[in-house]
Amino acid sequence: GENVEQHPSTLSVQEGDSAVIKCTYSDSASNYFPWYKQELGKRPQLIIDIRSNVGEKKDQRIAVTLNKTAKHFSLHITETQPEDSAVYFCAASVDTGFQKLVFGTGTRLLVSP
Amino acid sequence: EAQVTQNPRYLITVTGKKLTVTCSQNMNHEYMSWYRQDPGLGLRQIYYSMNVEVTDKGDVPEGYKVSRKEKRNFPLILESPSPNQTSLYFCASCMSPTTGGPIYTQYFGPGTRLTVL
Repeated sequence: GENVEQHPSTLSVQEGDSAVIKCTYSDSASNYFPWYKQELGKRPQLIIDIRSNVGEKKDQRIAVTLNKTAKHFSLHITETQPEDSAVYFCAASVDTGFQKLVFGTGTRLLVSP
Repeated sequence: EAQVTQNPRYLITVTGKKLTVTCSQNMNHEYMSWYRQDPGLGLRQIYYSMNVEVTDKGDVPEGYKVSRKEKRNFPLILESPSPNQTSLYFCASCMSPTTGGPIYTQYFGPGTRLTVL
């Protein structure tokens, strides 16, 4: 089955810096890659996703890139702000008519003022 | 308001005492799922359901049961809880691809923190 590895496990940056979180997946059939943000004590919420027919997707300060050949995808956050501090999870899924997501182990991002 | 609800939010119980965590969604979603979240392990799927009376095992189903008798409800049952089931549990739902819309957005419930002594 699918296996998703996520790095780093923790990431500390200064406000205004960029942050990059990387994930690799094992199943070449995976074609949907969402990213979830989980603030302390809250539920995970989708922040951005990408499908395998797209190499990059942006939404304001957040972008995701996908390299299908290398089987890895990354989350990029520019101009980080303290409210970006959270745990970020990547996930991978094969589109088989339902969504069986396999999550990475999470990255705790700390943005210091 | 569109939402997924879970009850209870917090539960402390003892080994072997059967318990049920309820999950309900008001978005008419076909697909529902249960995850457990443990430090360093991320979110792992326990069971999922594609529709009423259709359920299947996820990655860590041992020790759990589910049922889907109604579209909106998907309870998680621990027949004989053990300490290794101490965890944070999330229910989630999403639309079926056949009904259109943001088909891949999973909406999570607020979580249930379970402690088994």
